[in-house]
Amino acid sequence: GENVEQHPSTLSVQEGDSAVIKCTYSDSASNYFPWYKQELGKRPQLIIDIRSNVGEKKDQRIAVTLNKTAKHFSLHITETQPEDSAVYFCAASYPGGFKTIFGAGTRLFVKA
Amino acid sequence: DSGVTQTPKHLITATGQRVTLRCSPRSGDLSVYWYQQSLDQGLQFLIQYYNGEERAKGNILERFSAQQFPDLHSELNLSSLELGDSALYFCASSVAWEGTDTQYFGPGTRLTVL
Repeated sequence: GENVEQHPSTLSVQEGDSAVIKCTYSDSASNYFPWYKQELGKRPQLIIDIRSNVGEKKDQRIAVTLNKTAKHFSLHITETQPEDSAVYFCAASYPGGFKTIFGAGTRLFVKA
Repeated sequence: DSGVTQTPKHLITATGQRVTLRCSPRSGDLSVYWYQQSLDQGLQFLIQYYNGEERAKGNILERFSAQQFPDLHSELNLSSLELGDSALYFCASSVAWEGTDTQYFGPGTRLTVL
């Protein structure tokens, strides 16, 4: 069945360094890939998303890249700050009916 | 603030009881999704409603049911509660029914079953 694998499960970086989180999806029909940030006890918030007709999207310190051939996409956070510490979830969706599969999440720690 | 509201914020109840969680989608959104998130776990999709009709089902137990009303708010009913049902329950909404529509999450209801 459809699956989204997310790595790493935990990531610790020094403030100012970059962080990269990778996801691999199984269904080649997937064409929408959102990323959510969830702070402890709060709701998941959409931080960036990408559709399959583009290979990269950037929003200030956050960027997402998509490799459709390899069926993987990545979240890149540059110049990390302590407030970036949270759990990040990737997801993959495809049209023709509801199907959004979430990855297991990555807990990011940014050390000051 | 996503525009999605959920009540109550917290709920504490005993095993065997029944509770109802409520969700109001963003203005203009027709789809509502329910998710369960247990401690330190990912988001488990339970069920989706679109314009009053059930659209998709995920890992929803038979003890759980949901509905979406004409005003588009939705309720998730959990019955015969067990300790393992303790979790954060989120609803999300989107404009239409496609899986490729962006979902916006509500603040969640934290359910504790004692």
